[in-house]
Amino acid sequence: DGGITQSPKYLFRKEGQNVTLSCEQNLNHDAMYWYRQDPGQGLRLIYYSQIVNDFQKGDIAEGYSVSREKKESFPLTVTSAQKNPTAFYLCASSAEAVGYEQYFGPGTRLTVT
Amino acid sequence: AQTVTQSQPEMSVQEAETVTLSCTYDTSENNYYLFWYKQPPSRQMILVIRQEAYKQQNATENRFSVNFQKAAKSFSLKISDSQLGDTAMYFCAFMKHVQYSTLTFGKGTMLLVSP
Repeated sequence: DGGITQSPKYLFRKEGQNVTLSCEQNLNHDAMYWYRQDPGQGLRLIYYSQIVNDFQKGDIAEGYSVSREKKESFPLTVTSAQKNPTAFYLCASSAEAVGYEQYFGPGTRLTVT
Repeated sequence: AQTVTQSQPEMSVQEAETVTLSCTYDTSENNYYLFWYKQPPSRQMILVIRQEAYKQQNATENRFSVNFQKAAKSFSLKISDSQLGDTAMYFCAFMKHVQYSTLTFGKGTMLLVSP
């Protein structure tokens, strides 16, 4: 089955530690996206990538970093510089073949204490 | 920059009734897409319906339909014959009509369908 995988579903870290969230897709989509969801805030764009080895900052990129070494993978690192990292993180992908509709993964709930 | 506003944080409806969720947006673009996404308790984002701004006809998907008013920049979602499984958070979203544009979301409306 084609789809987007995010692992793990729940992630716990101590304050001051960097943590990397995984996002993998086997849809052969060119573009991938990371969104953050907080209660009452909707989804906000962190980073996105249109092609391998290239990515752009979104609205709330501070304290986050990404890489796009493979078409299928777009990991997100939450660094210790991110002031409020506890949130629900969603990964998405899209392609011209599907009219640029974004397909979402199941999300990762990150809790930092 | 685009903005999307959902003015109803919560709504409730009884099973089998009809409910309308509101969304307004602001943009200087002429070509764009509008979406309604559903997020049930599982938190999986599910596309409900999509509207292309250049199409005058309102989009319909089974029990879901939209009222797209381009001049008023309004994009409401009507759910007919509401079902318990429609209980979810609903997000309105905007996307420019360019390659690999990003989504701008509203803050969402929590819809509760009761028996």
